[in-house]
Amino acid sequence: SAVISQKPSRDICQRGTSLTIQCQVDSQVTMMFWYRQQPGQSLTLIATANQGSEATYESGFVIDKFPISRPNLTFSTLTVSNMSPEDSSIYLCSVKTSGRYEQYFGPGTRLTVT
Amino acid sequence: DQQVKQNSPSLSVQEGRISILNCDYTNSMFDYFLWYKKYPAEGPTFLISISSIKDKNEDGRFTVFLNKSAKHLSLHIVPSQPGDSAVYFCAASVWGGATNKLIFGTGTLLAVQP
Repeated sequence: SAVISQKPSRDICQRGTSLTIQCQVDSQVTMMFWYRQQPGQSLTLIATANQGSEATYESGFVIDKFPISRPNLTFSTLTVSNMSPEDSSIYLCSVKTSGRYEQYFGPGTRLTVT
Repeated sequence: DQQVKQNSPSLSVQEGRISILNCDYTNSMFDYFLWYKKYPAEGPTFLISISSIKDKNEDGRFTVFLNKSAKHLSLHIVPSQPGDSAVYFCAASVWGGATNKLIFGTGTLLAVQP
């Protein structure tokens, strides 16, 4: 399985600011995804990060709030914009290869918005 | 609308005994099911999966059973070890567009007592 790193591992941010989370994979992967896990909740898919094109967002998530970039096959960023306390969550990136069902996750970024 | 449900938020088991974690789903279009384990401050780790055309898959101490008619799957861990103490998520795969995505349950916290 791929080795996935995320930066930062945690951050405390003020309301109204933005934070960009980076996800780096040690090998080229077909698909990259971004998830959110709110306190006590399940993992919820935010979007699929498509290499070289706009991300595909799930219902309830919009590009203005969660812009995503994926400039190549090993790197992606998720920005949480204009943050509010409700954005306090763990944000996780995951990867999978074509033809496989399982996804492999990074360690997550714990975000607290005050 | 929670399509994947884990109705037991927690489970406590004695070391050496069997742990049984349960998961129910509502969407008959799910084609693959997966179990993940998550330790605090880490990303979920893939454990085992099963295709919707199978009823059992075994990997070492871990066995997943699928009952399609009941829309129910379970993960058996035998024998349970203290290191198995973690949150366990079941996930279901569904195709949307060009790729499949995972829908996660809410998780079950397993505590294995020495």
